[in-house]
Parts: sequence; structure tokens; C-alpha cells
Amino acid sequence: DAKTTQPPSMDCAEGRAANLPCNHSTISGNEYVYWYRQIHSQGPQYIIHGLKNNETNEMASLIITEDRKSSTLILPHATLRDTAVYYCIVRSANAGGTSYGKLTFGQGTILTVHP
Amino acid sequence: DGGITQSPKYLFRKEGQNVTLSCEQNLNHDAMYWYRQDPGQGLRLIYYSQIVNDFQKGDIAEGYSVSREKKESFPLTVTSAQKNPTAFYLCASSINREYSGANVLTFGAGSRLTVL
Repeated sequence: DAKTTQPPSMDCAEGRAANLPCNHSTISGNEYVYWYRQIHSQGPQYIIHGLKNNETNEMASLIITEDRKSSTLILPHATLRDTAVYYCIVRSANAGGTSYGKLTFGQGTILTVHP
Repeated sequence: DGGITQSPKYLFRKEGQNVTLSCEQNLNHDAMYWYRQDPGQGLRLIYYSQIVNDFQKGDIAEGYSVSREKKESFPLTVTSAQKNPTAFYLCASSINREYSGANVLTFGAGSRLTVL
């Protein structure tokens, strides 16, 4: 799996957009980008994933650069409840029959939304 | 509502005791996972199971054991052989076939184990 690099922490004002970057310069053609978040003392929560096209759902938008070497998770109107650790994970959907879903969670980005 | 239930939420144990953490899911997922999280750290995979009656070691399986006798259940036993068992334990599940959604994990709320 490709390695990802995220800033250790970011701040955002409530009501503003939060843009969380992720670098995955060694991503291969069949690897997807997944985003999860973990609110303090809770289990991680899936947010969104994509391959090469931009994706949007009710929680967030995912923008992947054309060369796929980096991506940005966008929370359009951050609230205090969005304060969490955000994990960017790169993983193939074709694990060769061995296993799916074995994800590597690094340190992530601590997003703090302040009033 | 479909989801994953972990119990107990908090558990204290004395050194030398085995403890078993429960994980039950009603999502009809084939695959289940156990992760461990230490303070300020990411998650590390302990064991995973793709189908009933089969499971594989993850990155830090030493001192742990699991069973998968039913699709819905994947209990984790923390044995006395685990040197540093105090941690936050997370159970997860997913579908198990070749498509991008297979990496969409649903997590439980976690079990916090403290060894006294």
C-alpha cells in the first residue's frame, strides 16, 4: 500500500471550510484514497473514498489531483462536532484474494474547529 | 439499526489474568477485524477474519487470540502473555469481496482495557 503524509494538526473556524491535505505520491493505479475520522474516545468513522474523480457525499468532498499524488478532503461548513483526527488511507480494492479491509491507520491530522 | 456492539466499554484486570472482549455485528458482513490503539497513536491490526472458522494474524498478534465460530461474532482474548495490554481496542467489520467498498469499515465504539 502507498504511504500517506498528512500534517499533524490544523485549525479551522466554525462555519468555514476545512481543507485537509494528504500526500500519496507513490500511489499506484488501482489504489483508492479513503478518509476516516475519529472523534475522541470513539471508533473511527468512514467519510468518503475515491479513485481519480472528485467525489461528494453528505459529509464531505474529496478532491484528487490529476496525477493522483495528492488529495484534499473538504468539510464545507465545519462545526465544533467536526473536531477529530482525520486519517487518509490508500488501499487497493484488489487485494489478490488475500484480504480486503486491512487498513493502515497512521497518525492522521488533528483538526480543531474553534468558535 | 445495523451496527457493531463491543462490550464491555471499560474493563480493568489484574496482571496475569486473561480477559475476553466481545464484538457482535448485525450488518451481515463477512470480514471482521480487531485493532489496538495506544494514546496518541494510530490503529494497529491485531487479527482479522474473512470468513467463519478462519482468521489471520495481523501486525501485532502476539499475546492475543480470537475465534470466529459465528458470522456475527469475533471475540478477542487478551492473554497474560501480552506484555502491555492497557489500550483501546476497536472491532470493525466489512464486506469481503473485490471492490472498493471492501475497504469501508464499520467500527464499534471500542473497549478500553486497563491492567492494574
